[in-house]
Amino acid sequence: AQTVTQSQPEMSVQEAETVTLSCTYDTSESDYYLFWYKQPPSRQMILVIRQEAYKQQNATENRFSVNFQKAAKSFSLKISDSQLGDAAMYFCAYRSAVVAGSQGNLIFGKGTKLSVKP
Amino acid sequence: DAGVIQSPRHEVTEMGQEVTLRCKPISGHDYLFWYRQTMMRGLELLIYFNNNVPIDDSGMPEDRFSAKMPNASFSTLKIQPSEPRDSAVYFCASSSKGRREQFFGPGTRLTVL
Repeated sequence: AQTVTQSQPEMSVQEAETVTLSCTYDTSESDYYLFWYKQPPSRQMILVIRQEAYKQQNATENRFSVNFQKAAKSFSLKISDSQLGDAAMYFCAYRSAVVAGSQGNLIFGKGTKLSVKP
Repeated sequence: DAGVIQSPRHEVTEMGQEVTLRCKPISGHDYLFWYRQTMMRGLELLIYFNNNVPIDDSGMPEDRFSAKMPNASFSTLKIQPSEPRDSAVYFCASSSKGRREQFFGPGTRLTVL
């Protein structure tokens, strides 16, 4: 069975600085997807960024980027120029590619609570 | 486009009562997922449907939980009878065959007294 581990229960960053959230996963599959979701106090789950395992290039979305190390099974999230609105729980998630075009459920880590100091 | 809609947003009930949570997926999505979030266990899958058919219900805790999807635009998660340990946030999410990500509703916070 696949597992996702986030080893940092809490992180803190100064506004405008950069922070990196860690995530490791365990799988025997070669084709899968990885995601970072943000959950602010409103509890809405918001997709931040996604990465396809077959892509070597790291995904980037504005101030958010990932460091995907497939061999090490590592998928960290870097937030640049942190803003007060980035304060939230961040969840790393894994989804098997299963059959091409098909779907599977997300497997989540326990989350990292990010605080942003003004 | 409207996102995933869940109702109610909050539910407070007493132990032993029946609880029904509702979900309307994004139009055109053919996958629907129910997740539960607790402090102890985090986010975990309860059940998911494809084209209204349950595909994996291995996460449903016990017979007190049941889920249905009578049509492509509506699903329910029912707990009968409810217990205090069912208190959690229940999320519905939807997706489609060609998409990588799942889109989540706002969640229902259930409190069983």
